[in-house]
Amino acid sequence: GQNIDQPTEMTATEGAIVQINCTYQTSGFNGLFWYQQHAGEAPTFLSYNVLDGLEEKGRFSSFLSRSKGYSYLLLKELQMKDSASYLCAVMDSNYQLIWGAGTKLIIKP
Amino acid sequence: GAGVSQTPSNKVTEKGKYVELRCDPISGHTALYWYRQSLGQGPEFLIYFQGTGAADDSGLPNDRFFAVRPEGSVSTLKIQRTERGDSAVYLCASSLGAGGPYEQYFGPGTRLTVT
Repeated sequence: GQNIDQPTEMTATEGAIVQINCTYQTSGFNGLFWYQQHAGEAPTFLSYNVLDGLEEKGRFSSFLSRSKGYSYLLLKELQMKDSASYLCAVMDSNYQLIWGAGTKLIIKP
Repeated sequence: GAGVSQTPSNKVTEKGKYVELRCDPISGHTALYWYRQSLGQGPEFLIYFQGTGAADDSGLPNDRFFAVRPEGSVSTLKIQRTERGDSAVYLCASSLGAGGPYEQYFGPGTRLTVT
């Protein structure tokens, strides 16, 4: 079957760094997406990885290892507005997104 | 430009009633997706359209659920004989195309409550 695993909840301090992990087992792989979702709002795109390695975009970076079925999202210089759920989604062989349940990130001052 | 819009934002209905949820995608986006999301879960795929045709409806839970996109733009998700288990947020997303790593843009969702 297809499976995406990520921690349910994480807590971090304002100004710090946090890493949110995602492991996956899917039928085929056409890339991995990270989305941010604030409570009561729609998911918004953060990053896309299809090749192994690190993609950096401002305070956010995303890493992929296809051989390990593993990705992480790294958030630096955390701000209170980063409190949200972070969703990992893998695009399978049919180009459909398979979604994880999301990681709720709580930022404390 | 305008993003994906969905109406209504909230819908409360009684068990057994029929509901329609509407999605207006970003202009020029040929692919349109319907998902539903329960609290603390990721989006669950329901159906996607490429143009006017349903390219994949494998996520529809049963035959009470049906969706159309007659002119390749606006889509309507229809739920017959609603059940309390249908209560969720129904999300619509659109993308420039399908069959490739296209970013999906989401609407704000319709929160459906079946009493």
